[in-house]
Amino acid sequence: AQSVAQPEDQVNVAEGNPLTVKCTYSVSGNPYLFWYVQYPNRGLQFLLKYITGDNLVKGSYGFEAEFNKSQTSFHLKKPSALVSDSALYFCAVRPLYNTDKLIFGTGTRLQVFP
Amino acid sequence: NAGVTQTPKFQVLKTGQSMTLQCAQDMNHNSMYWYRQDPGMGLRLIYYSASEGTTDKGEVPNGYNVSRLNKREFSLRLESAAPSQTSVYFCASRSQGGAGELFFGEGSRLTVL
Repeated sequence: AQSVAQPEDQVNVAEGNPLTVKCTYSVSGNPYLFWYVQYPNRGLQFLLKYITGDNLVKGSYGFEAEFNKSQTSFHLKKPSALVSDSALYFCAVRPLYNTDKLIFGTGTRLQVFP
Repeated sequence: NAGVTQTPKFQVLKTGQSMTLQCAQDMNHNSMYWYRQDPGMGLRLIYYSASEGTTDKGEVPNGYNVSRLNKREFSLRLESAAPSQTSVYFCASRSQGGAGELFFGEGSRLTVL
């Protein structure tokens, strides 16, 4: 079965420290990969995506994500966390054979402490 | 610069009542979606519309109907609301191409008593 796993419900990090939010997937082929962020009482906002090419993708607000094909992972990273980065982060995967289907992970809450 | 607009933002219903959630996008996107978000379950697709005049079921379509009124508008109807439909509902549209990202509305919080 196709699935996306975000193994951590919550990640806590001190402001200024690097952060990683993990995502692994189980989808056949080479899917498109996405990260979205949700601030309280708001809709999801697109952060970045991987289509093909360089395994390190840069996105909005200083975030980047590293694609690892052998580990089927797409971890979200930021070199220096800000308190304003505190939000709910979703990883999502779209199979190439069905571009109308987007499979979401369950989300990881990022808490950045001052 | 509206993007995706959903109404209403909040609604309380009694079991058995009906209601329609409205969604409109001004980005000329072909594909539109309805998701529900529940704690610990991420987002689950209810229905989607790949183009004007077509609709398809997602993961959790039972108890819902949709209408793609035109290219801009995609509504979600609950014919007989149940407490299990208490959730936050999000409409989204997708930019062109297989790798296009979704643009989401602000959400509609529905409570069914």
